[in-house]
Amino acid sequence: DAKTTQPNSMESNEEEPVHLPCNHSTISGTDYIHWYRQLPSQGPEYVIHGLTSNVNNRMASLAIAEDRKSSTLILHRATLRDAAVYYCILRDAPYGNKLVFGAGAILRVKS
Amino acid sequence: NAGVTQTPKFQVLKTGQSMTLQCAQDMNHEYMSWYRQDPGMGLRLIHYSVGAGITDQGEVPNGYNVSRSTTEDFPLRLLSAAPSQTSVYFCASSYSKGSLMNTEAFFGQGTRLTVV
Repeated sequence: DAKTTQPNSMESNEEEPVHLPCNHSTISGTDYIHWYRQLPSQGPEYVIHGLTSNVNNRMASLAIAEDRKSSTLILHRATLRDAAVYYCILRDAPYGNKLVFGAGAILRVKS
Repeated sequence: NAGVTQTPKFQVLKTGQSMTLQCAQDMNHEYMSWYRQDPGMGLRLIHYSVGAGITDQGEVPNGYNVSRSTTEDFPLRLLSAAPSQTSVYFCASSYSKGSLMNTEAFFGQGTRLTVV
């Protein structure tokens, strides 16, 4: 399974943008990049995913480097509710049967 | 839609007891899976199923059994509980057309299990 590397933790101020980085230098050409987050005492929640192009949805944006060896999850205006552990995960080809969770990155949001 | 429902939410077992953690989804998803999460760690895959009648082992399958007789239900059985199985257990489901690469997973709220 291809691996990802994230910072252990990050801190942001409320209503400011947050950029969460992820390195995945061993990614293969057909692996999708997925992001999930886990709020305290809850199950993981899907955030966004992409293959090559940048992606936007109502929760966040995903910026993927041209060589695909890194990506950045962008929360445009952090709220207290965004405080969570964020997981950057690669869905391995060909079937993506396994979501391999690392330790993730803790995001703290200050009011 | 209820999504993914896990029962019970909390359970305390004595060493050696057996029990079944229930997981049901109402989204007609073919793919279902079980994870465990130990304190301060990410989730680890226990077992998964790509459809009714088909199951496979994940990263940490020892001490657990699964079966998939219907699309909706994917129970996880602990055969003889051990303190090392104290953990939070999450069930997840995904829509699958043969590949999960381009799909999202829906998780339940978890079952917090303590084995004493």
